[in-house]
Amino acid sequence: DVQLVQSGAEVRKPGDSLKISCQGSGYKFTTYWIAWVRQMPGKGLEWVAMIYAGDSETRVSPSYQGQVTLSVDTSISTATLQWISLKASDSGMYYCVRLFGGKELDLWGQGTLVTVSS
Amino acid sequence: QTVVTQEPSLTVSPGGTVTLTCASSTGAVTYGSYPNWLQQRPGQPPRTLIYSTTNKHSWTPARFSGSLLGGKAALTLSGVQPEDEADYYCLLYSGGAHVFGGGTKLTVL
Repeated sequence: DVQLVQSGAEVRKPGDSLKISCQGSGYKFTTYWIAWVRQMPGKGLEWVAMIYAGDSETRVSPSYQGQVTLSVDTSISTATLQWISLKASDSGMYYCVRLFGGKELDLWGQGTLVTVSS
Repeated sequence: QTVVTQEPSLTVSPGGTVTLTCASSTGAVTYGSYPNWLQQRPGQPPRTLIYSTTNKHSWTPARFSGSLLGGKAALTLSGVQPEDEADYYCLLYSGGAHVFGGGTKLTVL
């Protein structure tokens, strides 16, 4: 089956670091982009950033510039979204989604809930 | 930064037809905006229904169709089913960035 499987829910304190992951299976991982999308409870979708798994080219939304870091490990077909110092405002559900051609979405992960609270 | 606008809510009767639209603050939505349409049911991740304006995925029910209409991207549901009650989001590519609309809550009543 072609799928994206995300890591489990995380609870952290402000100032903590965090990595969440998205593992692709059933397809050639390096020929697609992976994007990250945030959703706060009861709210809409926000585009965070995207990374091309073939060469790690990264594009980060201006609202998230300097806040997050993206990476891929092609040996395990996994994309990662990382924070060095979390803020309470980073809380939310984070989805990964596969893109082809850099602009066309298809497959979504199940989501990772990040809770940042003191 | 581009602002993408959708109807906040719409109501449709079962078996009816409804069109959701997606407008850009920068002007007319075109094929070069690569409109994507997503469906999100409560408690579930989004699911992509339409990409590049009109294209359906293998899992997209035939009753969903995408188009350009009056300078906007449009998603039309024909023969609405109760399970179509959900939030619908459009995503546009504009000025080198991807931008979501605020979403439309579709009620089937």
